[in-house]
Amino acid sequence: AQTVTQSQPEMSVQEAETVTLSCTYDTSESNYYLFWYKQPPSRQMILVIRQEAYKQQNATENRFSVNFQKAAKSFSLKISDSQLGDTAMYFCAFMPQGAQKLVFGQGTRLTINP
Amino acid sequence: DVKVTQSSRYLVKRTGEKVFLECVQDMDHENMFWYRQDPGLGLRLIYFSYDVKMKEKGDIPEGYSVSREKKERFSLILESASTNQTSMYLCASRATDRVYGYTFGSGTRLTVV
Repeated sequence: AQTVTQSQPEMSVQEAETVTLSCTYDTSESNYYLFWYKQPPSRQMILVIRQEAYKQQNATENRFSVNFQKAAKSFSLKISDSQLGDTAMYFCAFMPQGAQKLVFGQGTRLTINP
Repeated sequence: DVKVTQSSRYLVKRTGEKVFLECVQDMDHENMFWYRQDPGLGLRLIYFSYDVKMKEKGDIPEGYSVSREKKERFSLILESASTNQTSMYLCASRATDRVYGYTFGSGTRLTVV
């Protein structure tokens, strides 16, 4: 069974700082997808960034980037120039290729302070 | 704008009641999902459906059932609500051919008293 672990229940940084959220996963699959989702107080889950396991290049979306280490089964999210609107719960998620369901981590509550 | 709509944002029910949580999507997605969200546990899959009248158990199906009579609607049923089912429930849908196309509802926060 696949598992996803986020070891940081809560994090807090000052506005404009850079923050890194950790995620590790366990799987015997060789082809899969990894995701970071954001859940603001409105509860609407928003896809932040995604990574295909077969791609060696780390994904980047504006201020958001990942450090994907396939051998270590690690998938961390870096938020640069953090903004107040980045305050949210962040979930790491995994999905084997060909599967339909996402497996989520426990979540990290990120607070950006003014 | 595509949507997954959950019928209630907040719900309070009594122990032993039969509870229906409704989810409707307007994107013609084949797959629909019910997740339960608890602090420290993240989101856990209860049930999912890949077609009308088709369903599969997720990781925590005990105490729940589902119904999918129409493609756009996926209902989660608590046959006899218990206090340990107090939680946030999230519905999601996805087209089979779109890996990144998960769309989530805004959740129903259920309290069983």
